[in-house]
Amino acid sequence: DAMVIQNPRYQVTQFGKPVTLSCSQTLNHNVMYWYQQKSSQAPKLLFHYYDKDFNNEADTPDNFQSRRPNTSFCFLDIRSPGLGDAAMYLCATSRDAGRSDTQYFGPGTRLTVL
Amino acid sequence: KNEVEQSPQNLTAQEGEFITINCSYSVGISALHWLQQHPGGGIVSLFMLSSGKKKHGRLIATINIQEKHSSLHITASHPRDSAVYICAVRSAQKLVFGQGTRLTINP
Repeated sequence: DAMVIQNPRYQVTQFGKPVTLSCSQTLNHNVMYWYQQKSSQAPKLLFHYYDKDFNNEADTPDNFQSRRPNTSFCFLDIRSPGLGDAAMYLCATSRDAGRSDTQYFGPGTRLTVL
Repeated sequence: KNEVEQSPQNLTAQEGEFITINCSYSVGISALHWLQQHPGGGIVSLFMLSSGKKKHGRLIATINIQEKHSSLHITASHPRDSAVYICAVRSAQKLVFGQGTRLTINP
């Protein structure tokens, strides 16, 4: 059974048109992460939620926002996508943020910006 | 220089060969993860290590904390093992990723 679900798997948007990516989890984990992975590069952490506490990485552009309305769902909003935002967006969860906590990844959403 | 370095970046081998992928890191860590990413993007966690050695089926992962080095071994490799293998270390409550090793196993 899928534990971390991302929708859609593929998203095409136009330059400047806002887009929202969705992540849901059935694990009841406290922490949810959003990563951006560009072609042939390592995933890059954008931000994470510990419960309702939002933690933004210092170099995450303001264009990227996130919402976590409840434990199960977390959304990534890209307010004005540019061509450079085309990437795979990965959601992950962990029970806690401690040293022994494995992160469980979703299948990713591949974003294309036209 | 990246905080997490993997070698080789690309590896092609024949089915049945013994595979080794290496990971070196330069930061203090509380744990090291080996992840597998197939074409299409999804990432699967293979191992989490903080010391010693772990084995799961044909996969073996080792870590030497003093030398800041970890290896992932695949015995009796199979074409379905073809994927990108990523080393990631937990440092200051964040995962720091290596650039990945693209493994191709030919039948």
